[in-house]
Amino acid sequence: DADVTQTPRNRITKTGKRIMLECSQTKGHDRMYWYRQDPGLGLRLIYYSFDVKDINKGEISDGYSVSRQAQAKFSLSLESAIPNQTALYFCATSDPGMSGYTFGSGTRLTVV
Amino acid sequence: QKEVEQDPGPLSVPEGAIVSLNCTYSNSAFQYFMWYRQYSRKGPELLMYTYSSGNKEDGRFTAQVDKSSKYISLFIRDSQPSDSATYLCAMSGSNDYKLSFGAGTTVTVRA
Repeated sequence: DADVTQTPRNRITKTGKRIMLECSQTKGHDRMYWYRQDPGLGLRLIYYSFDVKDINKGEISDGYSVSRQAQAKFSLSLESAIPNQTALYFCATSDPGMSGYTFGSGTRLTVV
Repeated sequence: QKEVEQDPGPLSVPEGAIVSLNCTYSNSAFQYFMWYRQYSRKGPELLMYTYSSGNKEDGRFTAQVDKSSKYISLFIRDSQPSDSATYLCAMSGSNDYKLSFGAGTTVTVRA
């Protein structure tokens, strides 16, 4: 099994719908992150969590919310999806030392 | 101005050539510097990691950090078609473990 698992891998949804992207990890890391990737813009941080009770906004949190259900689970919700939220979404984890992130395989989301 | 600038390319080289990639940054607090490799339809994977200034070599890969110029580089020697991917630079400060990423450079190594 992958260290970081994201579901679904692909999703097409309609404007205005609520959608949840899920992430689970087996690394045992406390720190988890949600990024979106757009062509030419790289990875931008949406939300991050340093433990179950600590959730923080990233640089582009508007229109998104998150839930840290357990150390291993961190989900991202789009409350009312809009077309410019069409992107590739990545979940990542890291340990307390700055040794780099482990990424999931991503969720490709299309909002029509 | 973005905190981390990276030329998106694309970059196309013949097999065996040296690939040179670089990023510039504006935040002098950055201490940790990384390079990630991302294959199509996959998540980024950590390729090289450097703390503060200096060089680091790992097989065909060499990472360089010049903090005085706020400039980092990745060199790939004897490039192979399997090196075809997008390469992303990333960096963070010592008190803030959130990574800031460059836009990524797409590299194609032609057989």
